[in-house]
Amino acid sequence: QVQLQESGPGLVKPSETLSLTCTVSGDSVSSYYWSWIRQSAEKGLEWIGRIYSSGSTNYNPSLKSRVTMSVDTSKNQFSLKLSSVTAADTAIYYCARVSGGSSMLWNWFDPWGQGTLVTVSS
Amino acid sequence: QSVLTQPPSVSGAPGQRVTISCTGSSSNIGTGYDVHWYQQLPGTAPKLLIYGNRNRPSGVPDRFSGSKSGTSASLAITGLQAEDEADYYCQSYDSSLSGGVFGGGTKLTVL
Repeated sequence: QVQLQESGPGLVKPSETLSLTCTVSGDSVSSYYWSWIRQSAEKGLEWIGRIYSSGSTNYNPSLKSRVTMSVDTSKNQFSLKLSSVTAADTAIYYCARVSGGSSMLWNWFDPWGQGTLVTVSS
Repeated sequence: QSVLTQPPSVSGAPGQRVTISCTGSSSNIGTGYDVHWYQQLPGTAPKLLIYGNRNRPSGVPDRFSGSKSGTSASLAITGLQAEDEADYYCQSYDSSLSGGVFGGGTKLTVL
């Protein structure tokens, strides 16, 4: 049974970089694409991007200039960095496994991690 | 404003049937991209309910069904139960935005 667990600071100062890690158990990060998705009251669910074990990435164009994703196959983890954060980046951040093949056109997300709340505040 | 439009809320009595709509456009559902549905129980992460428009993952009761036509999709829940009270989200791909998009969510209340 695949399980995902997000970890990272719950509080980030404005203009700094948000950093989160997702640890995968029960599956290999080398086998699928993996995504980050966030949820806020203002914007609802928002897809941030996805990464493959090769390092290949696709990012949401609205966030692309600030997002970096990476994968560590030795630790079975993948990570998210979001730079120059503002209060608008306050949200619950989820990691999820991507299904539906290599093309984004048909992707869905299953399973999801439990989520971690990140608050941007000084 | 979400790219995919869902009604904010729906309600039904136990045992009844409810449907939740998801309306898109020619750059997403109307192009033929699949629609997927998620259930989010209070305080938990979204859980996959329907994938590829009408397919149920193992463990999802057949009371849940999905359909798609034109620029819209629907989630139907029959034999409504108290445990179905949750938020439901649709998701697809949008070619204009070059990425996955979600609906704004629909809160289901079981009366």
